[in-house]
Amino acid sequence: KQEVTQIPAALSVPEGENLVLNCSFTDSAIYNLQWFRQDPGKGLTSLLLIQSSQREQTSGRLNASLDKSSGRSTLYIAASQPGDSATYLCAVTENQAGTALIFGKGTTLSVSS
Amino acid sequence: DAGVIQSPRHEVTEMGQEVTLRCKPISGHNSLFWYRQTMMRGLELLIYFNNNVPIDDSGMPEDRFSAKMPNASFSTLKIQPSEPRDSAVYFCASQPDSPYNEQFFGPGTRLTVL
Repeated sequence: KQEVTQIPAALSVPEGENLVLNCSFTDSAIYNLQWFRQDPGKGLTSLLLIQSSQREQTSGRLNASLDKSSGRSTLYIAASQPGDSATYLCAVTENQAGTALIFGKGTTLSVSS
Repeated sequence: DAGVIQSPRHEVTEMGQEVTLRCKPISGHNSLFWYRQTMMRGLELLIYFNNNVPIDDSGMPEDRFSAKMPNASFSTLKIQPSEPRDSAVYFCASQPDSPYNEQFFGPGTRLTVL
């Protein structure tokens, strides 16, 4: 059974720092991996989606990488800002199009000014 | 497009009452998912539909839970009777048929069962 783990569970950094959030999954046979952001009391906003054949995706200050063979993904946030404070969730779909997402429990990021 | 729409946004009810949550997916999306989020268990799939047909309901916790998708633009999740342990945030998500399979989430319904 696929399991997704995110470490650390919480992270506090000063504004301007570059940081990396980690995600690992137990079964490398994934179809794609998606990173989401969730603000307190809000829904999920999709940040980046990486297909299983891709190695990375970039959007602005965010860069997500994928290493399927080792079961790992990282989300790199450059020059962090207080507005980046949120919970970041990693999720995978298994090796069949259209199947449901399996989520990690998230990393809660706090960026202080 | 308005995105995935869920109603109500908040629901407070008493144990034993029936609760109905509603979802309108993004137009043109073929798959619809219901997830539940709790502090203890995180986000978990309850059920998903493809072209209005339930494909996987293995996450539905008990017979008290049921879901329907009568047409491509509407789905309901019903809990009858509700219990305090059903208190959670319930999310609906939709997904187009495409090579990317990106899911788009609604704002969620926060359910409190007293």
